[in-house]
Amino acid sequence: EPEVTQTPSHQVTQMGQEVILRCVPISNHLYFYWYRQILGQKVEFLVSFYNNEISEKSEIFDDQFSVERPDGSNFTLKIRSTKLEDSAMYFCASSERLVNEQYFGPGTRLTVT
Amino acid sequence: AQKITQTQPGMFVQEKEAVTLDCTYDTSDPSYGLFWYKQPSSGEMIFLIYQGSYDQQNATEGRYSLNFQKARKSANLVISASQLGDSAMYFCAMRLPYNQGGKLIFGQGTELSVKP
Repeated sequence: EPEVTQTPSHQVTQMGQEVILRCVPISNHLYFYWYRQILGQKVEFLVSFYNNEISEKSEIFDDQFSVERPDGSNFTLKIRSTKLEDSAMYFCASSERLVNEQYFGPGTRLTVT
Repeated sequence: AQKITQTQPGMFVQEKEAVTLDCTYDTSDPSYGLFWYKQPSSGEMIFLIYQGSYDQQNATEGRYSLNFQKARKSANLVISASQLGDSAMYFCAMRLPYNQGGKLIFGQGTELSVKP
């Protein structure tokens, strides 16, 4: 069964460093999302992406964040200068159409020290 | 403003019994979708069940069913014949319309513990 994959599963970085989180959505899906979950809290929306552009972003998704679909399969989230409060689980999700269910990847646990 | 509320931080159920996890939502949009996800201790988010706002019948997927009461704005998850492997965090989510990017907003979650 097709699934969303994410790499790495765990990333430890120092404050101020850049990180890139990678995702491979399900191949026939057209809508892509990033969410994050701070430990013990609910899942929060970061950004949605369709047709090679951002369709919606949250207040969390400031200038330090960017997303890219560099080729036909990968979808990346970049954080330019990480802060301690960026420590969280980051989930990538994809859906075939807007009205379909969103399938989540296993997540990348980002730890900023 | 759109909102999802899960009022049960934790629930216990005996193995093989049924359990209902509550979810209420608030939106003024006529078109929306409601989802339930399971998050085991390993951290991944597993899609369980979906209900569209225009669907006439309650959604069912195996042991999961969604008790959709549109007038009350509730979308409770019913798990029948609970198993030990059902112990996990459960999140209710609502999909917002296209002009808001189709994003999901989540409730705070309910931690379900199944007792042997």
